[in-house]
Amino acid sequence: DAGVTQSPTHLIKTRGQQVTLRCSPKSGHDTVSWYQQALGQGPQFIFQYYEEEERQRGNFPDRFSGHQFPNYSSELNVNALLLGDSALYLCASSFFVSNIAKWEGARTDEQFFGPGTRLTVL
Amino acid sequence: AQSVTQLDSHVSVSEGTPVLLRCNYSSSYSPSLFWYVQHPNKGLQLLLKYTSAATLVKGINGFEAEFKKSETSFHLTKPSAHMSDAAEYFCVVSGHDYKLSFGAGTTVTVRA
Repeated sequence: DAGVTQSPTHLIKTRGQQVTLRCSPKSGHDTVSWYQQALGQGPQFIFQYYEEEERQRGNFPDRFSGHQFPNYSSELNVNALLLGDSALYLCASSFFVSNIAKWEGARTDEQFFGPGTRLTVL
Repeated sequence: AQSVTQLDSHVSVSEGTPVLLRCNYSSSYSPSLFWYVQHPNKGLQLLLKYTSAATLVKGINGFEAEFKKSETSFHLTKPSAHMSDAAEYFCVVSGHDYKLSFGAGTTVTVRA
């Protein structure tokens, strides 16, 4: 089992450019979440994709967008890069459990993380 | 909405002594709680999770945590620290919306 994979591992861009980061989920997982981890801070939730749709979104501007493909892999796109976008971008995969099962206590919302993509904006 | 507060930004222990990392949570719903570890230049690894079963949760590498609803706490402990435990530790809460909310992290240093 390959686990969660992300590409590229490192990326250097300049202000104003656009970037695309990629994620392949763990085998059997259908949900992908993206997080931004600035230096010295905890990861911050960007958004989550399930069934090729954005299901949840954190407090990030519209410059951050994503996509999920039929094979459950996902992309994170960031437009008009700012210096403050420099961070480690983490992808996490999980298996969706319906709300009914959730309220019955059958939650399995454990998320498995990839190694991350280190983005540097100059 | 849910959130966690890690009460110590940095903990330093001697090898072979106990480790205690403190975490308080806030959640409108019955939460799932996790502890993740991040070694330098590595991804996040799950240490343990609480999902409304036993309140004392055992994880990998000798770590355990106790869920105390009355104190809204989920502290992480290990009886005897090892040099390989030096890393960043994150307390994490998940509510009904599935997203994870991370604490600011606790850096653990282990002295020989």
